[in-house]
Amino acid sequence: DAGITQSPRHKVTETGTPVTLRCHQTENHRYMYWYRQDPGHGLRLIHYSYGVKDTDKGEVSDGYSVSRSKTEDFLLTLESATSSQTSVYFCAISEGQANSPLHFGNGTRLTVT
Amino acid sequence: AQSVTQLGSHVSVSEGALVLLRCNYSSSVPPYLFWYVQYPNQGLQLLLKYTTGATLVKGINGFEAEFKKSETSFHLTKPSAHMSDAAEYFCAVTYRGGGYNKLIFGAGTRLAVHP
Repeated sequence: DAGITQSPRHKVTETGTPVTLRCHQTENHRYMYWYRQDPGHGLRLIHYSYGVKDTDKGEVSDGYSVSRSKTEDFLLTLESATSSQTSVYFCAISEGQANSPLHFGNGTRLTVT
Repeated sequence: AQSVTQLGSHVSVSEGALVLLRCNYSSSVPPYLFWYVQYPNQGLQLLLKYTTGATLVKGINGFEAEFKKSETSFHLTKPSAHMSDAAEYFCAVTYRGGGYNKLIFGAGTRLAVHP
C-alpha cells in the first residue's frame, strides 16, 4: 500500500464546531487530493494541491479550506461543521500526470450531530 | 464536460458466474479510464486502467475491461466470481492533456456474490 495515513479515522462533532482532518504521505508525491464519499454520488473532489502552498478548489469546496505547508501533509478544515458535511473523507496522492493512478488512504468517517 | 455513468447501483451474482459491471463515459477528448475497488472500511484500490494502446486491459484479481470508443464504454468483467470479489466498484475518467489527474468518478456499483 502507498504510504498514506489519515487521522483521525473516526470523529463525531457538533454543528458549528471547527474540524481539521489530516493526511500524511511518505511517497513524496507532488499531488494530494481530498474527496468526500456519499451514497449515490461516488467520490467528489473537494480540494487538491499541486505543491507546497499551492492548492485549488474542486467541485464541492464550499465550507472547506485546505493547507499544505509541507510536501507530506495536507490538511482539510471544516470551518463550521454542518450536518450536510457528515461523510467519509478520503485523501489521495498521485505523481500528477493525467494517466497516473490515484492512491487512496483508508478514510475518515465524520459525523456532525 | 466529462461524466461517468455506472449502470446498476447493485449487482448480484452467484459464485462462479460471470461478473459484468457497466461503465459509460462522456468525454470530448480521448479519455484515460480507470476501475477502482473498495472493500468495507478501506480506501479505493486500483484494479486496472486504460491509457493508450491495447483496448483490452487486464487487471488484478482476474478482472479485465475493454475500451470501446464507438460505444463510449469501459465495462468490467471477470469470468468466474469469487466470494472475495464482493465489494464496491468505481469507474473513473480523466483525459489526456488534463495536466493532472482530476478524476471524475461514477456513483459506484456494489457487487454481491452469493454461494
